[in-house]
Amino acid sequence: AAGVIQSPRHLIKEKRETATLKCYPIPRHDTVYWYQQGPGQDPQFLISFYEKMQSDKGSIPDRFSAQQFSDYHSELNMSSLELGDSALYFCASSWKGALYNEQFFGPGTRLTVL
Amino acid sequence: SQQGEEDPQALSIQEGENATMNCSYKTSINNLQWYRQNSGRGLVHLILIRSNEREKHSGRLRVTLDTSKKSSSLLITASRAADTASYFCATDPGSGSRLTFGEGTQLTVNP
Repeated sequence: AAGVIQSPRHLIKEKRETATLKCYPIPRHDTVYWYQQGPGQDPQFLISFYEKMQSDKGSIPDRFSAQQFSDYHSELNMSSLELGDSALYFCASSWKGALYNEQFFGPGTRLTVL
Repeated sequence: SQQGEEDPQALSIQEGENATMNCSYKTSINNLQWYRQNSGRGLVHLILIRSNEREKHSGRLRVTLDTSKKSSSLLITASRAADTASYFCATDPGSGSRLTFGEGTQLTVNP
């Protein structure tokens, strides 16, 4: 079965650079979520989109922005990168019509900021 | 974590033993989910228990939910070395909402 695809899987950037993370949800899923997991931490919700509109916003820095496109894939744009942005970034997708909100997670993008 | 707390934070057992992990939360939920994460890798969905359920089984997994105490437990029976991973609970307030994760339990199963 198709799963959530994230690219790239690994990314190394310098401080103050920008990064773009991509997420391709499971076909027919209409909701995408982004989570950030720092070293030794639990995943923290950043932002979500339903039908290309932002549906919820968590602890996402102003330096970050995201959007969902017409084909339902999503991109997380990160600017002015800081050392503390080094983390695993997960994308998850779900279908709003499902009875329960089971979110399917991608393998994550590991971002290292030097 | 802002909501979920798990205990123990770390658990080390021998193969064949049972492992029990607990999770507490603070707000009302629609369902609670358990995830597994191998070191630095992706989150694998294990089981979902609805707010009107008290217990659920899936293979060697048994999950309980006590909404009056706002707590859940995950029991892994007859553990194997391959069960070594971090286990997270995540609460879901309703359809399409964010998941709020607990701090996780690092389980080590020694062969």
